[in-house]
Amino acid sequence: GAGVSQSPRYKVTKRGQDVTLRCDPISSHATLYWYQQALGQGPEFLTYFNYEAQPDKSGLPSDRFSAERPEGSISTLTIQRTEQRDSAMYRCASTPGGGPTGELFFGEGSRLTVL
Amino acid sequence: AQSVTQLDSQVPVFEEAPVELRCNYSSSVSVYLFWYVQYPNQGLQLLLKYLSGSTLVESINGFEAEFNKSQTSFHLRKPSVHISDTAEYFCAVSPRGGGSYIPTFGRGTSLIVHP
Repeated sequence: GAGVSQSPRYKVTKRGQDVTLRCDPISSHATLYWYQQALGQGPEFLTYFNYEAQPDKSGLPSDRFSAERPEGSISTLTIQRTEQRDSAMYRCASTPGGGPTGELFFGEGSRLTVL
Repeated sequence: AQSVTQLDSQVPVFEEAPVELRCNYSSSVSVYLFWYVQYPNQGLQLLLKYLSGSTLVESINGFEAEFNKSQTSFHLRKPSVHISDTAEYFCAVSPRGGGSYIPTFGRGTSLIVHP
């Protein structure tokens, strides 16, 4: 696609429910990042993919969080048994990969509210 | 590991006045440095970056930042701001080499330009 697309833009859920967020990166971009941004804070790294490989998931806060990118393009971030502290903006970004081009291309984010 | 400190959470300024947004970082390895901007209801977008060469880098809309290795700083400046510069500004660093260029972001500085 022309830009990074995230869906849904807004999600309100009840505590204990599972949610899945979707990211469609710029086509041909090899690397995809997920960040979590709490209100008043900067984006915090969750995990990233090089194509379908997931070299680093050290930022995932707990085993309730998982991400996948099975065909090396679209990625999903799933949060199981959501808790109120999971409320945040979830940001996806992609880059061509192959080194620090310097520019992450961000989507508009998915704002999750857990009641 | 890297960390980024943006001491000012909010900077109010009048139109046509100069502004400086401060960024300091900590890292055990050499880093690349970036400033991202987020306009209301949009995703983050790259404003400028320092990868190598001249320590003074400029953006197309009049912002500049200077890498100061001894002070581990990368402050963002503009000699005369416009209303349209009102946005959230994020400083970020990523490690040189090692194959993993995961950017670490600061908490952001909200620039508010008053008429």
